[in-house]
Amino acid sequence: KAGVTQTPRYLIKTRGQQVTLSCSPISGHRSVSWYQQTPGQGLQFLFEYFSETQRNKGNFPGRFSGRQFSNSRSEMNVSTLELGDSALYLCASSSPSGQKKAGYTFGSGTRLTVV
Amino acid sequence: AQTVTQSQPEMSVQEAETVTLSCTYDTSENNYYLFWYKQPPSRQMILVIRQEAYKQQNATENRFSVNFQKAAKSFSLKISDSQLGDTAMYFCAFTTIQGAQKLVFGQGTRLTINP
Repeated sequence: KAGVTQTPRYLIKTRGQQVTLSCSPISGHRSVSWYQQTPGQGLQFLFEYFSETQRNKGNFPGRFSGRQFSNSRSEMNVSTLELGDSALYLCASSSPSGQKKAGYTFGSGTRLTVV
Repeated sequence: AQTVTQSQPEMSVQEAETVTLSCTYDTSENNYYLFWYKQPPSRQMILVIRQEAYKQQNATENRFSVNFQKAAKSFSLKISDSQLGDTAMYFCAFTTIQGAQKLVFGQGTRLTINP
């Protein structure tokens, strides 16, 4: 069973640009959530999608957005990049039944560097 | 709001020793799930062990076990017979049974197993 796949692994962008990150969940998983990991703030929840609908959103500015497609693949977009957006972005998927109890399966993340 | 605190930023032990990582959390919920995740240098977050708050019995997974003290809101991880491959960041995480589909993480403990 393939795991959670995140692309690209590394990304370097310039301030003011926008970026799109991709996450393919485990086959059959319908919930996809995104986290930002930085040395200073740790792991913070960005948002969660289920069946193409955003169900939950963390405390991030509107520059951070996402979407989910009918095949459960998800993308997150960050517009007008700032230096502080440099982080490891992790995606996690969970199964449709007993989601929280089973825990979440994470991808290897996308390392975004803003210069 | 729920919070998770890991008071040990770094720990170091010799191979084959037993080590305990601490975690406390704060919540007004009565039913929830707790997790320990491991993040090696490969960056992928790996689920180590999970505990359901409504179960009194402490969870165990091979060399990994927890000491769950619900009244004290404490959830420590014990690693027995530690191995070099256990070297990683360890994160304690919390999620409610109802409500938002998201994990609240502690700041992490960097564990080094020395040969």
